[in-house]
Amino acid sequence: AQSVTQLGSHVSVSEGALVLLRCNYSSSVPPYLFWYVQYPNQGLQLLLKYTTGATLVKGINGFEAEFKKSETSFHLTKPSAHMSDAAEYFCAVSADTGRRALTFGSGTRLQVQP
Amino acid sequence: SAVISQKPSRDICQRGTSLTIQCQVDSQVTMMFWYRQQPGQSLTLIATANQGSEATYESGFVIDKFPISRPNLTFSTLTVSNMSPEDSSIYLCSGGGTGAGNTIYFGEGSWLTVV
Repeated sequence: AQSVTQLGSHVSVSEGALVLLRCNYSSSVPPYLFWYVQYPNQGLQLLLKYTTGATLVKGINGFEAEFKKSETSFHLTKPSAHMSDAAEYFCAVSADTGRRALTFGSGTRLQVQP
Repeated sequence: SAVISQKPSRDICQRGTSLTIQCQVDSQVTMMFWYRQQPGQSLTLIATANQGSEATYESGFVIDKFPISRPNLTFSTLTVSNMSPEDSSIYLCSGGGTGAGNTIYFGEGSWLTVV
């Protein structure tokens, strides 16, 4: 079975500051890792995903994440926060185990202060 | 990519009634799922909607409470039966390809409040 832990239910940064949202996973087989964003009163939108190959993955809106197998991590970063980045961010995992559905972390709410 | 539409987007329901949520995908997807997101919480998988057969439910969810249909590759429904205030949640439809690395796309969600 897979699981995801997101450290920090709330993260607050100043506009222009580095954004770092943490995600650690557990999986007995090679994982596929995803970051989704949920803006207020909206559904989920894919930011980026790691499947195979390059471990540094670039996504939309300037976000990127690095898959580190040794640390079982897939942290999300953005060099400079923008007010429009304020949202809920979810890390998710799946794997080739027959259970196709995503398993989500608890989410991190990002606040961006002016 | 796939665009997923859900309706209703919001509803206020009376205790003891049932409501059916419809999910339409703009292209054929192999897999469809229904998730629940309770207020301020993460997403919990309710079931995998299987085309032409009974859905596969996760632990804690039963067919009598959450009957699901999927008559074809682009349409599914979720019914929330005999609702109570504890059923007040966002219900999200999602879909994607078979491979575990394929992107799963989500609808905008159906926001149900039970009074």
